[in-house]
Amino acid sequence: QSALTQPPSASGSPGQSVTISCTGTNSDVGGYDSVSWYQHHPGKAPKLMIYEVTKRPSGVPDRFSGSKSGSTASLTVSGLQAEDEADYYCSSYGGSNNYVFGIGTKVTVL
Amino acid sequence: EVQLVESGGGLVQPGGSLRLSCAASAFTFRTYWMHWVRQAPGQGLIWVSRINGDGSSTGYADSVRGRFTISRDNAKNTLFLQMNSLRAEDTAVYFCTRSASSFAKPFDNWGQGTLVTVSS
Repeated sequence: QSALTQPPSASGSPGQSVTISCTGTNSDVGGYDSVSWYQHHPGKAPKLMIYEVTKRPSGVPDRFSGSKSGSTASLTVSGLQAEDEADYYCSSYGGSNNYVFGIGTKVTVL
Repeated sequence: EVQLVESGGGLVQPGGSLRLSCAASAFTFRTYWMHWVRQAPGQGLIWVSRINGDGSSTGYADSVRGRFTISRDNAKNTLFLQMNSLRAEDTAVYFCTRSASSFAKPFDNWGQGTLVTVSS
């Protein structure tokens, strides 16, 4: 199963918004409402930020939001803060006992 | 607080074997599916394997099927990954993560990972 497509990088100034796309197929992103987003600071444990396309786990700021249209999901980070600088990965169930991740997007806070 | 702590990584020669462990605490281990996810140097995350709560059902990525075996000891709250016939392309940080007991559920807690290096 191929990795989901994400832009390699995104950036914004503090207080601005950044949106990251995640494109798959009808066999994964488009076929299930199971898109998740993970924040990863290198050397640390990845952290779940969004699940089931739009839901936020307890403790995740509401600056983080998710959406999906067809086979493309998106993560928006509003009101960028310095601590949001990290790698972000999308993920989807791919059917047939398979899970697929995106290639990752490095978010830089300028 | 949920904790997942991986161990067992290290340097191994191509063709060799290694067994990773993941010690879980602060949650009812047997009620969760457990997974291994890896990240090769400079690359993204790749799902490797999963096991259901009682260990009766497993799944593997095509790249490791037949070489890796996932297992768990619910009495000791520990997840394992037995890795055989290791290749250079298996070099990665291996993360232990959990999900609710169903397909398509998110990975809601992760360990910090253990590094496996396959090199002669």
